[in-house]
Amino acid sequence: EDKVVQSPLSLVVHEGDTVTLNCSYEVTNFRSLLWYKQEKKAPTFLFMLTSSGIEKKSGRLSSILDKKELFSILNITATQTGDSAVYLCASLTGGGNKLTFGTGTQLKVEL
Amino acid sequence: GAVVSQHPSRVICKSGTSVKIECRSLDFQATTMFWYRQFPKQSLMLMATSNEGSKATYEQGVEKDKFLINHASLTLSTLTVTSAHPEDSSFYICSARGPAAEQYFGPGTRLTVT
Repeated sequence: EDKVVQSPLSLVVHEGDTVTLNCSYEVTNFRSLLWYKQEKKAPTFLFMLTSSGIEKKSGRLSSILDKKELFSILNITATQTGDSAVYLCASLTGGGNKLTFGTGTQLKVEL
Repeated sequence: GAVVSQHPSRVICKSGTSVKIECRSLDFQATTMFWYRQFPKQSLMLMATSNEGSKATYEQGVEKDKFLINHASLTLSTLTVTSAHPEDSSFYICSARGPAAEQYFGPGTRLTVT
C-alpha cells in the first residue's frame, strides 16, 4: 500500500522564523512529489518535483526532492502570519493520475 | 494559473435525498478529473477518477451506485450523492489534471445531511 508520511504534524513559530517541513514516501511506480497549501478551503498547488536534487523556488518557499532517500522538504523563510495553513505533500504514481496524500503539517505563525 | 470551480460551495439536504455537485475547469480542458472527500483534520482521500467520455474508476470501498460520477465534457464533471445519509456529510473536493499530471483543486463543497 502506498504511504506518504509528513512531519511534524504541527508546528508553531514566530514571524520571521524559517521552517522546514518533511515528507517521506513509500510508493510503487513513483513519478513525482507535489506540495500543496490548504487554508480554509481546498488545496492550492505549490510545487511539483520530479527530478532529484533540483531545488524549486517560489518567493520565500522552496522545495527539493531526494529520490534515493525517498523524501522531500519544503522550506519557508521569513515566515509571515499568512503562511499559517496545512501543508500537504502527495506522491503521484502509476499512469500519472493517482495522488496519495500525507496527513499534512499544520503550521501556525504567530506575531 | 489553472482555475477549477465547484458548485455549490455548501449544501444542506435531508436524509434520503440526492445531491449533485459540479466541478468545472474554467481556463483549460481536463480529460481527467478527480473526486476526493476530506473529513475534519484528515487528509484528502481519493474517491474516484473521472474520465471524459468513459466510466469513472472508483477506489476500493467507494460505492459506485451511491456516488454517481459523470464527465460529459472536457470542462465538467459531476458527482451525485444518491440517497444521502448523515454519514455522507463531508467536504467533497474535485481536482482537474493539468498538462504535467499536476492536479488543480476546486474550492470544495461542504455537504451536510440532516
